[in-house]
Amino acid sequence: GESVGLHLPTLSVQEGDNSIINCAYSNSASDYFIWYKQESGKGPQFIIDIRSNMDKRQGQRVTVLLNKTVKHLSLQIAATQPGDSAVYFCAENINFGNEKLTFGTGTRLTIIP
Amino acid sequence: NAGVMQNPRHLVRRRGQEARLRCSPMKGHSHVYWYRQLPEEGLKFMVYLQKENIIDESGMPKERFSAEFPKEGPSILRIQQVVRGDSAAYFCASSPLAGDNSPLHFGNGTRLTVT
Repeated sequence: GESVGLHLPTLSVQEGDNSIINCAYSNSASDYFIWYKQESGKGPQFIIDIRSNMDKRQGQRVTVLLNKTVKHLSLQIAATQPGDSAVYFCAENINFGNEKLTFGTGTRLTIIP
Repeated sequence: NAGVMQNPRHLVRRRGQEARLRCSPMKGHSHVYWYRQLPEEGLKFMVYLQKENIIDESGMPKERFSAEFPKEGPSILRIQQVVRGDSAAYFCASSPLAGDNSPLHFGNGTRLTVT
């Protein structure tokens, strides 16, 4: 039979526009956060990370914002390209002493040419 | 510089058979994590291993599932007497050290289908 799972939140963005993907994390004690990109048939690919002593970090075309007060994380992708189409997951590290990660639900981003 | 290598990429098993999933971490990495992903869902932690030691198996089902990371060779996730609910993508990740807040590097997974 067909398996039934949660449908991922989706976001469609015109190519060239900026996109913002949001994530609420669960544990106020988390001290390290990562955004991953997952393309169909592949494993999660690291995009950018941020530690809890920061509220913003920038990479190439990507920016991560952390709001610890409301336990919210966002990923901004500038000047989106077709290759940005994927599912994006935020992950938090809530165990000091190892890299065990707790993943969010994920958001499917579709770039419209 | 090879990344995390998982094999097989696809595995089909009939109900009641055994499934063995292999993971070779990145060179120089001695910590391995296994995650399971159901369709349209996020990854769920299963087990964390160092060489010859299971550090955290809080996400492993109590029965039928086991994992090892021997001194030599890849890490193995073993599922005995598979059932249809075991059908999922299983991902392995590795890191060089514990607790240094370095991002996990994932392999491309093994997609297990139980018929």
